[in-house]
Amino acid sequence: SQQGEEDPQALSIQEGENATMNCSYKTSINNLQWYRQNSGRGLVHLILIRSNEREKHSGRLRVTLDTSKKSSSLLITASRAADTASYFCATDAGANSKLTFGKGITLSVRP
Amino acid sequence: EAQVTQNPRYLITVTGKKLTVTCSQNMNHEYMSWYRQDPGLGLRQIYYSMNVEVTDKGDVPEGYKVSRKEKRNFPLILESPSPNQTSLYFCASSFWSTSTDTQYFGPGTRLTVL
Repeated sequence: SQQGEEDPQALSIQEGENATMNCSYKTSINNLQWYRQNSGRGLVHLILIRSNEREKHSGRLRVTLDTSKKSSSLLITASRAADTASYFCATDAGANSKLTFGKGITLSVRP
Repeated sequence: EAQVTQNPRYLITVTGKKLTVTCSQNMNHEYMSWYRQDPGLGLRQIYYSMNVEVTDKGDVPEGYKVSRKEKRNFPLILESPSPNQTSLYFCASSFWSTSTDTQYFGPGTRLTVL
């Protein structure tokens, strides 16, 4: 069953602009993670935010979590062409430590 | 180098011919899992293992088997592959549970079943 749903499905921006991607989920979670996938390759972990955290930063990445709205956002500032990839949110609802992934957002950064 | 390896990376086979995709990690991780990725469906978990000799079904286990005889290896077995198992497969591992740990993914195995 799909827990996380990303929005939008696809995003195209100019290099230097900020990219904001959203994830909504249905049930209570322990944590939420964001991953990046370059075309045809394995997923790479970007950032993990726990249910008791509201905001987290890592380099040009900023993640927020609003448990009352059951949503998270990933902001990539000053985007680069190398940020072109698919981005997935994944939620851990605690049952059997299973991580459930959304369908992903395709981000294109135009040089 | 810490990594998850999968073999083969690409495989074309025919319906009914048993195959095994190997997965190995060198990080001494307890938790390992298999996912399949299909267009429009995202990643779906097939099986996972929380420790040696402990495996459990994920969301889409039908048609697959796994085993965990050693901590580092977690092979995915398709006893009788069918065309609907054509997909991109990923193995992943983490130190303990997914609750607090980053999952490390392998490079993927692209399987085509004719």
